[in-house]
Amino acid sequence: EVQLLESGGGLIQPGGSLRLSCTASAITFSNYAAGWVRQAPEKGLEWVSTISGSGRSTYYADSVRGRFTISRDNSRNTLNLQMNSLRLEDTAVYYCATIVGATEYFDYWGQGTLVTVSS
Amino acid sequence: SYVLTQPPSVSVAPGQTARVTCGGDNIENKDVHWYQQKPGQAPVLVVFDDSDRPSGIPERFSGSSSGNTATLTISRVEAGDEADYYCQVWDTIGGLRYVFGTGTKVTVL
Repeated sequence: EVQLLESGGGLIQPGGSLRLSCTASAITFSNYAAGWVRQAPEKGLEWVSTISGSGRSTYYADSVRGRFTISRDNSRNTLNLQMNSLRLEDTAVYYCATIVGATEYFDYWGQGTLVTVSS
Repeated sequence: SYVLTQPPSVSVAPGQTARVTCGGDNIENKDVHWYQQKPGQAPVLVVFDDSDRPSGIPERFSGSSSGNTATLTISRVEAGDEADYYCQVWDTIGGLRYVFGTGTKVTVL
């Protein structure tokens, strides 16, 4: 059974930094693009960032471009999200997910990790 | 940027049919995907590429798309279908981005 497990969430002050990780199992991770989707409290889903299977291509939502950096280590089946200059509005549950190419949908999802930005 | 609009809520009696719409400009020209999210849980893919179902998803879940509206249809609704449902497309106009709909809460009466 494919599993994605996020870690690294927590409470952080505005302007601070946090690094999220997502470890995949039972999957050839390098065969999949992967990304992060977040959900603010009581709000809908918002795409954050995507990285290609090789790691050579990255994409960001306008709301995080220049502050967040996505990366992956296929040798460790790990996806990362470095979040800098955090804002109150970045408070959300962050989900990692694998992406099926061609038509670009999210098939496997992690359980999510909560990031709370507060002073 | 591309916008997907869903009704905030849909109510349906058990055994009846629920239809959740997703409006977007010429959405019929895009591949639409649907996710179910129950409280406190991660989203689950229920329909991809407009009308295909992942393995393990009941045949009661189906999708269609025409013109400016895509529709998720849940037949013979069960109490366990109560959840939030989101549509999603991949938009390549003006930059690559994944767009989610605003979400619809399906309530089983």
